[in-house]
Amino acid sequence: RKEVEQDPGPFNVPEGATVAFNCTYSNSASQSFFWYRQDCRKEPKLLMSVYSSGNEDGRFTAQLNRASQYISLLIRDSKLSDSATYLCVVSANFGNEKLTFGTGTRLTIIP
Amino acid sequence: NAGVTQTPKFRILKIGQSMTLQCTQDMNHNYMYWYRQDPGMGLKLIYYSVGAGITDKGEVPNGYNVSRSTTEDFPLRLELAAPSQTSVYFCASNNGGISTDTQYFGPGTRLTVL
Repeated sequence: RKEVEQDPGPFNVPEGATVAFNCTYSNSASQSFFWYRQDCRKEPKLLMSVYSSGNEDGRFTAQLNRASQYISLLIRDSKLSDSATYLCVVSANFGNEKLTFGTGTRLTIIP
Repeated sequence: NAGVTQTPKFRILKIGQSMTLQCTQDMNHNYMYWYRQDPGMGLKLIYYSVGAGITDKGEVPNGYNVSRSTTEDFPLRLELAAPSQTSVYFCASNNGGISTDTQYFGPGTRLTVL
């Protein structure tokens, strides 16, 4: 079993729609969780951290379910600029020096 | 703040050649990292450093070497390039340890070994 698993997609979603991604992780001792965004041929950039209580940043909502060991990302009112690959990232400790990356979910927003 | 910078952006090597990928950060971060990303795959950690003079192996260190003589610089050395090392290489940095600071990535170096 991979340490971090994501559906690779692609997800092709019309503009304005809501889309959700899930990610599962195998290490129950994982401490920190993130969603990164990676545009084509670019470096990963932090989209948002994921907290146990769930958190929201504009159109983006992230949830963590420790019992089931999964993380979700919800994008509402999707924009063309949301087209990217979304990486689920897990850290085994609070220091975040050992990040484990999922392979990413590719999202394309269709006009 | 330039953040994390990497040079070169692109490079083509022949099998058996050597090269150094440069990485510099100006954020005074104590931790630095090297990753490789193969097509359709997640990032894999090659080496990391928790401070000047200290380095440690990651998940895929074979075929690579690193050094960390200053806080700012963390070069990655390929001694005998092989086709399996064709990949995109990302350098990253953060305030690791007790901080919850996430990692910040450079723009990457695209390496092809023929």
